[in-house]
Amino acid sequence: GIQVEQSPPDLILQEGANSTLRCNFSDSVNNLQWFHQNPWGQLINLFYIPSGTKQNGRLSATTVATERYSLLYISSSQTTDSGVYFCAVSEYGNKLVFGAGTILRVKS
Amino acid sequence: DTAVSQTPKYLVTQMGNDKSIKCEQNLGHDTMYWYKQDSKKFLKIMFSYNNKELIINETVPNRFSPKSPDKAHLNLHINSLELGDSAVYFCASSHVDGNYGYTFGSGTRLTVV
Repeated sequence: GIQVEQSPPDLILQEGANSTLRCNFSDSVNNLQWFHQNPWGQLINLFYIPSGTKQNGRLSATTVATERYSLLYISSSQTTDSGVYFCAVSEYGNKLVFGAGTILRVKS
Repeated sequence: DTAVSQTPKYLVTQMGNDKSIKCEQNLGHDTMYWYKQDSKKFLKIMFSYNNKELIINETVPNRFSPKSPDKAHLNLHINSLELGDSAVYFCASSHVDGNYGYTFGSGTRLTVV
């Protein structure tokens, strides 16, 4: 099955700093999503982005499908950005396979 | 209005018991899922239903039985609970092709003692 690798596994930022999270996947995908799991456990869909670039406020994401990677950019980080960021992909249909996540801690 | 709601939020039970988790979505999606998140935060799909029909059934013990009475509801029944079943169980929904993303419920933390 498809493999999903996320890096870095852990990241500590000072409030106001920028960061880039990476997701590599092993095969062609028809679906790629980024999620944020907040410290209370809620999973929030950030982007549906099988290809191209999208922006939503301080967050943006880019997927280069031909090179099998996606990047999530967080600018001017805030303490509320803390949590776990997951990349999830699907080769076909709608079976999403999740990466192991990046744990982000933003310090004030 | 809650888009995907799960009940209960917490469930503590003894080994050997049978328990159910309920899930409902009001987004008009036609596909619903159950995911399990283990203690290391790893998320893995268990089941997927499309319009009440089972379309994904991963390698899950047959003690776990999903039931979808209609496309807005997907319940999970677990028989003979074991310690290893302790985890957070998430329900999610999407359009059939997964486009526009999944919406997850808030999770059910199951603890088997």
